[in-house]
Order: sequence, then C-alpha cells, then structure tokens
Amino acid sequence: RKEVEQDPGPFNVPEGATVAFNCTYSNSASQSFFWYRQDCRKEPKLLMSVYSSGNEDGRFTAQLNRASQYISLLIRDSKLSDSATYLCVVNVRGFQKLVFGTGTRLLVSP
Amino acid sequence: DAGVIQSPRHEVTEMGQEVTLRCKPISGHDYLFWYRQTMMRGLELLIYFNNNVPIDDSGMPEDRFSAKMPNASFSTLKIQPSEPRDSAVYFCASTLRGQPQHFGDGTRLSIL
Repeated sequence: RKEVEQDPGPFNVPEGATVAFNCTYSNSASQSFFWYRQDCRKEPKLLMSVYSSGNEDGRFTAQLNRASQYISLLIRDSKLSDSATYLCVVNVRGFQKLVFGTGTRLLVSP
Repeated sequence: DAGVIQSPRHEVTEMGQEVTLRCKPISGHDYLFWYRQTMMRGLELLIYFNNNVPIDDSGMPEDRFSAKMPNASFSTLKIQPSEPRDSAVYFCASTLRGQPQHFGDGTRLSIL
C-alpha cells in the first residue's frame, strides 16, 4: 500500500464549479500535511498547509481527519487557472522529510 | 531573491554514460533534498542533507546513484552508469527547518 494515495483523475469541471479532492495516508504517526500544486512541466509549489481544525485560503479549503487518516481540498468557483495537478503531501518523520502522493489532475474548462 | 537553481535543465545521453546533476540551494537554507518524478511512481525522495551531511539516503535506488554536498551552496547527484529506466525529472529542493520546501525547475533526464 502506498503511504499517500490519491485519485489520479482527471477531474473535468466547468468554470465556476466546486470540486473536492481526497487523499488518504497510511502512517498514523504523520505529523504535518500539505497540498502542493504542480503545473505541467513545472516544479511543485506549496498551495497550503492543512491544520487539524481545517483552514481556508480564499477559494481553497483544506480539512484533515486524523481518525480516518484522510485529507481533503475543496476548490470553490473554479478558474481556468486552477487547472493543474494537486499533490497531497505528508511528513513521516519531523517536518523535513515529505512523502508526496502521485497527484490529482484537475482540468477546468470554459 | 534567487530560488533553487538546477543544471542542466535537460540532459539526453546514452545508457552507460555518467550523468551529473547540479543544484544550488537558496542561500541560508540548511536542508537540501533530491527527488525523482516519473508518471508511474510520482515524486520520490532520493536523499536529503542537513548542514551538508546526508541524513537519509534510503530512497536512493541503487549503488549507481550517489549524492554529495561539499558545501552549503552546492550539491550533485550522480548516476554511473546510467540506464534507460533512470529517465525522469529530477528535482532539488531546499528549506530552513520549519519552513516549506522550495523546488528548483528540475532536470529532465532522458537515457537512450
């Protein structure tokens, strides 16, 4: 079983739609959680950290369920520019070592 | 501010050749990471350094791979001999403890 699992997609949604991605992790001792965004042929970039109480950054909402070991990302009012691959990221030993999911691809169409 | 700088951006070479990838971390960062990304396996951590010392190299696939960090501003990842299955995008990232990792643009490696 992979340490971090994501649905690869692609998720095809129209502009303005709300879309949600889930991610599950296997190591119950995981301490920190993140969502990264990766555009085609570019490097991954931090989108947002995920806090236990859930957190929001504009149109993006991240939630963590430690009991079920899953993380979610909700994107409201999708924009064309949101088209990218979203990587679920978990640390397994301290903050520095990160484990990346294989990503969920989002395509937002006009 | 300059970000993480990797070179070369692209490398195409024949199997059996030695390949050297280079990385300059962000000045002041004390952690450096090497990752490999493929369609099948996603982004995998190969090795990471703290203050130029290798901390965890459990992700290095085999003895053909080696990494060094001779000083705080430079690291190399070497593959010798290279094989077609090593074809991937190799990313270098750096960070300060407690901060998000910053990635370089990556090196696209093709082994023919």
